[in-house]
Amino acid sequence: AQSVTQLGSHVSVSEGALVLLRCNYSSSVPPYLFWYVQYPNQGLQLLLKYTSAATLVKGINGFEAEFKKSETSFHLTKPSAHMSDAAEYFCAVSRTGGGNKLTFGTGTQLKVEL
Amino acid sequence: DAGVIQSPRHEVTEMGQEVTLRCKPISGHNSLFWYRQTMMRGLELLIYFNNNVPIDDSGMPEDRFSAKMPNASFSTLKIQPSEPRDSAVYFCASSSGENSNQPQHFGDGTRLSIL
Repeated sequence: AQSVTQLGSHVSVSEGALVLLRCNYSSSVPPYLFWYVQYPNQGLQLLLKYTSAATLVKGINGFEAEFKKSETSFHLTKPSAHMSDAAEYFCAVSRTGGGNKLTFGTGTQLKVEL
Repeated sequence: DAGVIQSPRHEVTEMGQEVTLRCKPISGHNSLFWYRQTMMRGLELLIYFNNNVPIDDSGMPEDRFSAKMPNASFSTLKIQPSEPRDSAVYFCASSSGENSNQPQHFGDGTRLSIL
């Protein structure tokens, strides 16, 4: 069975600083990986996805993530945080041939301070 | 294009009452998912359908919960009788195809409060 672990339930950064949200996956077959963002009182919105093409994936709002098989990681980064990035971020995994079912991490709440 | 539409957005009712949550997936999507989100348990998959057929309902908490998808454009999640511990935000999501590389698209959720 596949799973994801998000290290750090809360991350705080200063505006303009690097954002790094960590996600490690476990999967016995090549995984597909996703990052979603959830703003208050809204549903989850897709930021980006890795589907075995390029290992560096660019998403919306300046976010990107790099798939590293050797480290079983898919960390999310943004060079410069903006106040509007404050939200909860979820990493998710599905497996090849597993249909569209996703397994989500527990989420990381990002706080951006002035 | 319209996204996933859920109704109602908010529901407050007394314990013991029947609650029905509704979802209209994105047109053309053939997979539909129901999730529950709470502070304590995070995001939980309750059930998902493929081509209107329930594929995995292992996340449905108990017999008080039931879900149907009578056609490709409509699904309901019903709780009968409701209990205070059912209070949560319920999300519906849909995706296209059967390939696991397809993302899910979420509605804005129904915030349910059982008094």
